[in-house]
Amino acid sequence: RKEVEQDPGPFNVPEGATVAFNCTYSNSASQSFFWYRQDCRKEPKLLMSVYSSGNEDGRFTAQLNRASQYISLLIRDSKLSDSATYLCAASTGTASKLTFGTGTRLQVTL
Amino acid sequence: NAGVTQTPKFRVLKTGQSMTLLCAQDMNHEYMYWYRQDPGMGLRLIHYSVGEGTTAKGEVPDGYNVSRLKKQNFLLGLESAAPSQTSVYFCASSYPIGSPLHFGNGTRLTVT
Repeated sequence: RKEVEQDPGPFNVPEGATVAFNCTYSNSASQSFFWYRQDCRKEPKLLMSVYSSGNEDGRFTAQLNRASQYISLLIRDSKLSDSATYLCAASTGTASKLTFGTGTRLQVTL
Repeated sequence: NAGVTQTPKFRVLKTGQSMTLLCAQDMNHEYMYWYRQDPGMGLRLIHYSVGEGTTAKGEVPDGYNVSRLKKQNFLLGLESAAPSQTSVYFCASSYPIGSPLHFGNGTRLTVT
């Protein structure tokens, strides 16, 4: 079983839709969690950190459920520019080493 | 503000050749990392460093060596390249513990 798992998708949604991604992690000692966005042939870029109380940044909301060991990302009012691959990551132990999921691809269409 | 810079951006090697990938960061971060990304496999940690003069193995270290002689630089070496090392390599840095990683823009390596 992979340490961090995501549904690879693709998720095809119309512009304006709400879409949610889940990500599960297997190591209960994981301490920090993040969502990254990766455009084709580019480096991953931090979208948002995920806090225990949940957090929101504009159209994006991240949640953490430690009991069930998953994190989620909700995107409201999807834009064409949201089309990308979304990577979740969990940090365990020292040195902030991140373990990444394989990513979920989102395609927003007109 | 350069952030994390990787050189080269692209490289083609023949099997058995060697090369070094350079990563430089100007954010005074203690932690630096090398990942490789392959289709369907996601990002996998090769080696990492928690400070100048230190290195440690990650998930897929075989066939690679690293050095961190200066805090701002982290070098990844391939002594004898193999086709299985064809990949996109990303360097990243972070600090303090629990912080997100900042990535360089990657090196596309093809080994024929």
